[in-house]
Amino acid sequence: DGGITQSPKYLFRKEGQNVTLSCEQNLNHDAMYWYRQDPGQGLRLIYYSQIVNDFQKGDIAEGYSVSREKKESFPLTVTSAQKNPTAFYLCASHRGFSGNTIYFGEGSWLTVV
Amino acid sequence: AQSVSQHNHHVILSEAASLELGCNYSYGGTVNLFWYVQYPGQHLQLLLKYFSGDPLVKGIKGFEAEFIKSKFSFNLRKPSVQWSDTAEYFCALHNDYKLSFGAGTTVTVRA
Repeated sequence: DGGITQSPKYLFRKEGQNVTLSCEQNLNHDAMYWYRQDPGQGLRLIYYSQIVNDFQKGDIAEGYSVSREKKESFPLTVTSAQKNPTAFYLCASHRGFSGNTIYFGEGSWLTVV
Repeated sequence: AQSVSQHNHHVILSEAASLELGCNYSYGGTVNLFWYVQYPGQHLQLLLKYFSGDPLVKGIKGFEAEFIKSKFSFNLRKPSVQWSDTAEYFCALHNDYKLSFGAGTTVTVRA
């Protein structure tokens, strides 16, 4: 079955360490997105990518980095510069332009201690 | 820049009451609008979507939304809520390049 796979589902890291969250889709989707969800703040866009080798900053990109070297993969690195990294991270994708069904991964819980 | 605003942070109501959640967006071009629901401990679920055509959109679980272009609004309604509608509701805007969500409205339905 096609879908989006995020890993790991739960991750604990020490403060000051970089951590990379994986997002892989086998839906042949062009567009991919990373969101952060915090209570009371909804889903805030971190980065998005419409095609391979291209990505754009979202609303809260500071302290994060991404790459899009392959169509099916859009990993997110939470760097030590991110001041409040503990959150739920959600990956999404869709085919082509807007109007197509948006698929979501199951999310990754990151806790930094 | 595009943005989505949801007016109410938390709505509390009794079963059988009517529900209306406000959503306004800012974007000058063609938009696709969505409402998603997230039940406690679960993932996002699509309630309904508007792409074009009839501005009154019907979704699952008895929800509907009305797109009013002149007001840049896409409000969600349900005539009679149930306890099981307790959840967080998100409005989302999708143009050709970006998918943005509102901050969400928590709805608590008291039995």
